[in-house]
Amino acid sequence: DAGVTQSPTHLIKTRGQQVTLRCSPKSGHDTVSWYQQALGQGPQFIFQYYEEEERQRGNFPDRFSGHQFPNYSSELNVNALLLGDSALYLCASSFTNYGYTFGSGTRLTVV
Amino acid sequence: KNQVEQSPQSLIILEGKNCTLQCNYTVSPFSNLRWYKQDTGRGPVSLTIMTFSENTKSNGRYTATLDADTKQSSLHITASQLSDSASYICVVSGGSDSWGKFQFGAGTQVVVTP
Repeated sequence: DAGVTQSPTHLIKTRGQQVTLRCSPKSGHDTVSWYQQALGQGPQFIFQYYEEEERQRGNFPDRFSGHQFPNYSSELNVNALLLGDSALYLCASSFTNYGYTFGSGTRLTVV
Repeated sequence: KNQVEQSPQSLIILEGKNCTLQCNYTVSPFSNLRWYKQDTGRGPVSLTIMTFSENTKSNGRYTATLDADTKQSSLHITASQLSDSASYICVVSGGSDSWGKFQFGAGTQVVVTP
């Protein structure tokens, strides 16, 4: 049984570019939450998708957007990348509000 | 101000010894508190989850306690092993409308040495 799968594992982008990160939830899970974790810090909640809609959002600018597909997989898009966007981006899937399982993350470096 | 504070920030212990990590929170209303273990560059892995009515929960050599009155929790690691070297993160969930909107602590970095 596959857990939460994130791709790519590592990514290097130039300031001002756009990036898309992907997450496939654990089998049986229908909800996907995204987090940003700066080096040495705890993760910060970005937003959560349920039933293909953004259910709630943390304190992140509109440059951060997302999508959930009918198969429950999700994408995180970041536009106009800043150096400060460099972080580990974590995806967690759950069945509604139960069984949160994290993926291994995507390490984004903005240069 | 972070609503979840962890201490110490880091600690080094000898293999086989015990240690205790602390977590204080101000999140309100309170729903549950989780402890996660995160290896470097990996996603967090759940160790324990406790609701308001639970005082203690164990997972192998990991034992978590919760005092909801004082809003404090601890994670005790017994007979530490080299594989326990990781960051331990306290995560608090508040309110019925807070799906996934966890408040994460900054973590305690534990290094177990031979």
